[in-house]
Amino acid sequence: IAGITQAPTSQILAAGRRMTLRCTQDMRHNAMYWYRQDLGLGLRLIHYSNTAGTTGKGEVPDGYSVSRANTDDFPLTLASAVPSQTSVYFCASSRLAGGPDTQYFGPGTRLTVL
Amino acid sequence: GQNIDQPTEMTATEGAIVQINCTYQTSGFNGLFWYQQHAGEAPTFLSYNVLDGLEEKGRFSSFLSRSKGYSYLLLKELQMKDSASYLCAVRDSDYKLSFGAGTTVTVRA
Repeated sequence: IAGITQAPTSQILAAGRRMTLRCTQDMRHNAMYWYRQDLGLGLRLIHYSNTAGTTGKGEVPDGYSVSRANTDDFPLTLASAVPSQTSVYFCASSRLAGGPDTQYFGPGTRLTVL
Repeated sequence: GQNIDQPTEMTATEGAIVQINCTYQTSGFNGLFWYQQHAGEAPTFLSYNVLDGLEEKGRFSSFLSRSKGYSYLLLKELQMKDSASYLCAVRDSDYKLSFGAGTTVTVRA
């Protein structure tokens, strides 16, 4: 079944540890995105990539890094996790075609940093 | 950037109609989206508006006024399964989405 997968589903992490959240899509979409969702703040864009080999910063990029080595994968890395990075992380993708082209979201990763 | 406002919570009775308003201030408007998000799940696409007017899709309709920076999502014949958060999102000229904080709708029997 086509779509976006994320791993892990949930994780509890000690502060200071390094963590990579994985995201893979099989729809051959050009663009991919990472969001964090916090209560009362909605979805906020962390980083994005409009095509393989390029990335850009979103609204809240500090403390996170991404890479886009190929079309399908877009990992998000927390180099040294802090408690304020406790959140639900969603990966999304889109064709970047304009019009009613929407973003499709993965199931999310619930991350707790202690 | 975008500044997007929508009410935090709304409650309605099964079978009723609920209207969720969204106002936005934009620096490059390229479409407005509504998503539905059930608790613990990913957002899913509901509707898209880029021109002024009403778009109808079954029990759900969405309206846009670009001059007023205003949209609403209308949910008709409410069902218990419509209890969810509804997210208003504005797309900019770089195809990035900015989201409102979401409106939690509770449908009561």
